[in-house]
Amino acid sequence: GQQVMQIPQYQHVQEGEDFTTYCNSSTTLSNIQWYKQRPGGHPVFLIQLVKSGEVKKQKRLTFQFGEAKKNSSLHITATQTTDVGTYFCAGLRAQKLVFGQGTRLTINP
Amino acid sequence: EPEVTQTPSHQVTQMGQEVILRCVPISNHLYFYWYRQILGQKVEFLVSFYNNEISEKSEIFDDQFSVERPDGSNFTLKIRSTKLEDSAMYFCASSEAWQDGYTFGSGTRLTVV
Repeated sequence: GQQVMQIPQYQHVQEGEDFTTYCNSSTTLSNIQWYKQRPGGHPVFLIQLVKSGEVKKQKRLTFQFGEAKKNSSLHITATQTTDVGTYFCAGLRAQKLVFGQGTRLTINP
Repeated sequence: EPEVTQTPSHQVTQMGQEVILRCVPISNHLYFYWYRQILGQKVEFLVSFYNNEISEKSEIFDDQFSVERPDGSNFTLKIRSTKLEDSAMYFCASSEAWQDGYTFGSGTRLTVV
């Protein structure tokens, strides 16, 4: 079945450092979505990427979708303590959104 | 900001018992989903539902599971005979169109003892 792999599983950074998480799908995706889950919370939709090679920015967050529509990345510049949480990519194929394993980001203030 | 509402927030049940988890999706959304997350692990797809029918389901969604939209607002997940390994957080989600981002509810933590 469709697999979405995400690395790294954990990332610990000093506040102010950058952070990147990577996502790879075994199949071509209709779109890729990114979610953030705070500890004890539920996934919250951040953004979706639809076009091959698309790049979108939300303040300090930069999202990219690969040319083959099989991989994606999320980069956070100058992390802040509010960025703590687990970041999930999720690939959409037909009417099934499949989540990666997530990258748990912890930050040392 | 519209919300997806889930009840109860926590359910404890004996192994073998039936449970019904309830969700009220956002009113103008047409697509509904159930996911589950075992503590600290990935968010696993269970089922998607549109136009009063299941659109997609995963291997996890076997004959013990069923979904229903009994009226115009509720969307329920029933587990007929719970097992210990069904213990997880169950999230309901909805979206306006199938390709849109999902809005998740706060989840129901199911504990099977």
